[in-house]
Amino acid sequence: QKEVEQNSGPLSVPEGAIASLNCTYSDRGSQSFFWYRQYSGKSPELIMSIYSNGDKEDGRFTAQLNKASQYVSLLIRDSQPSDSATYLCAVKGPNAGKSTFGDGTTLTVKP
Amino acid sequence: GAVVSQHPSRVICKSGTSVKIECRSLDFQATTMFWYRQFPKKSLMLMATSNEGSKATYEQGVEKDKFLINHASLTLSTLTVTSAHPEDSSFYICSARGPGQATNEKLFFGSGTQLSVL
Repeated sequence: QKEVEQNSGPLSVPEGAIASLNCTYSDRGSQSFFWYRQYSGKSPELIMSIYSNGDKEDGRFTAQLNKASQYVSLLIRDSQPSDSATYLCAVKGPNAGKSTFGDGTTLTVKP
Repeated sequence: GAVVSQHPSRVICKSGTSVKIECRSLDFQATTMFWYRQFPKKSLMLMATSNEGSKATYEQGVEKDKFLINHASLTLSTLTVTSAHPEDSSFYICSARGPGQATNEKLFFGSGTQLSVL
């Protein structure tokens, strides 16, 4: 079992719709969770971080964390073609010096 | 703040030569930097953790003598691919933890280096 699992996609949504990206992790002691966006040929950029159960909203992005279910998700409201990218979920334990990345979900938003 | 610069962005070299990639934190001090390798349509593969003033910690399966990492200052880490071969062709990315307590778990990435070995 991978430490961090994501559906590889591709996930395709129409412009204006809500895109839902999911991630599960195996280490119950994980405490820090991140979503990074990576455009093709570019390096990742941080878009959201979440540390406690519940929802965290930032503009059109909402991160949701459920530690009991070991599940973290990212919702993108009013999806735009510019949101088309690969989204990487990353998880970090309390004593871990490094983050563990999922394989990423490729999102395509169609005009 | 938290800008990480990586250079060069693209390099083409002949087989057998060595290539050095630089990663700099421009507006903060980075005691820890990370080096990744990424194949097309694949996720980041952590190669090593670079610690300022000490030896790098390499992930299992990564050759230390092949991928030399030096973190001589708080703002600069370098990765040298020695005696490069075509199978070393890849996208190499560095990252650094953000400055300050509020951001030091977040990673800020360099722009990446596309290495092509002929």
